[in-house]
Amino acid sequence: GAVVSQHPSWVICKSGTSVKIECRSLDFQATTMFWYRQFPKQSLMLMATSNEGSKATYEQGVEKDKFLINHASLTLSTLTVTSAHPEDSSFYICSATIIPKREGYEQYFGPGTRLTVT
Amino acid sequence: KQEVTQIPAALSVPEGENLVLNCSFTDSAIYNLQWFRQDPGKGLTSLLLIQSSQREQTSGRLNASLDKSSGRSTLYIAASQPGDSATYLCAVLDWWGGSYIPTFGRGTSLIVHP
Repeated sequence: GAVVSQHPSWVICKSGTSVKIECRSLDFQATTMFWYRQFPKQSLMLMATSNEGSKATYEQGVEKDKFLINHASLTLSTLTVTSAHPEDSSFYICSATIIPKREGYEQYFGPGTRLTVT
Repeated sequence: KQEVTQIPAALSVPEGENLVLNCSFTDSAIYNLQWFRQDPGKGLTSLLLIQSSQREQTSGRLNASLDKSSGRSTLYIAASQPGDSATYLCAVLDWWGGSYIPTFGRGTSLIVHP
């Protein structure tokens, strides 16, 4: 149980275009979903916290107009990288925490999406 | 703001050794601490979750301990195997600004050679 999927697993796009990444909890409802970015050989950088039905909370330094997050349901959150630039190339990972809270807010991670902007 | 430090940054050991990976955090008022494994180019796999009220968790050859008062956790890997080679990350979960916020360490890169 507690499987999180991401789609696509990798994507190549041209500079200036927008890319949408989906994060789904397949067999549970998620109270919260987190979006991370990871540069090569670096740790995860939390970008934003997403609660179903409310606006995402962005970490300092993350442009909310560039990285649009929509948490439309308890099983789906999307991250849209708008007007992508080569510096946006990175590995994007989502995680979800489970309902009910008895699970202690354990994070379940998706497999990640590798974005390359040319 | 919470800071998480992992020591060592890298470790290379022969197969069969028992290992200790360290994780320290600056604010002890955490909700929980979680250890993950990440293989190159892959997502994260959860290894162990320790609630703030717990002192340790065990799964197979892995044992994680938590000392909240000193802001430390250790991940103990018994009888290491080449398949254990990966990056190990620890993360703490805090209540901050009305929601739970995770903070990750930079990880320990482990190589176990035959």
